[in-house]
Amino acid sequence: EPEVTQTPSHQVTQMGQEVILRCVPISNHLYFYWYRQILGQKVEFLVSFYNNEISEKSEIFDDQFSVERPDGSNFTLKIRSTKLEDSAMYFCASSGRGQGSYGYTFGSGTRLTVV
Amino acid sequence: DQQVKQNSPSLSVQEGRISILNCDYTNSMFDYFLWYKKYPAEGPTFLISISSIKDKNEDGRFTVFLNKSAKHLSLHIVPSQPGDSAVYFCAVLSGTYKYIFGTGTRLKVLA
Repeated sequence: EPEVTQTPSHQVTQMGQEVILRCVPISNHLYFYWYRQILGQKVEFLVSFYNNEISEKSEIFDDQFSVERPDGSNFTLKIRSTKLEDSAMYFCASSGRGQGSYGYTFGSGTRLTVV
Repeated sequence: DQQVKQNSPSLSVQEGRISILNCDYTNSMFDYFLWYKKYPAEGPTFLISISSIKDKNEDGRFTVFLNKSAKHLSLHIVPSQPGDSAVYFCAVLSGTYKYIFGTGTRLKVLA
């Protein structure tokens, strides 16, 4: 079964450093998403991406965050200057259809720890 | 942001019995409702969805019920199996792309 692959599985970074989280969506999917889950809290929407541009973003996704599809297979989330409160599990997801009613395929996540 | 609430953080059920997971939402304008299952160290896995024009959707052992007047959603798993032990999240589709997730219910199915 096709999978969404995320690397690394765990990233530790110093506060103030830049970090890039990487995702390889399912190959024929066109819609891409990032969600995060702070420990013990809800899974929260960050951003959706289609046709090389952001289609929707949440209030969490401020100027410190950016997304990019640098080639035909990768989808990255960059946090420019990490803060302690950015520590969370970050999930990438993709879908073949734009409507979320069909469900997304999520990756296994990257645990980001900011120290 | 309490638009989607799962009031039971955990639930234990005997194998073979019915598991009922509940979810409440606040906004009557939501159109689609979904259930995701999550195992430790994995991402959420889509289980089943229902649109606001229906009150029931069934897929094998999983049935989702929607009570629009009560703004209540439930997931029934019958019969429950030990492999169903996971965290279950309800989610509502807010707009075209964005899910709002509940806080999750940890289901433990006892053999």
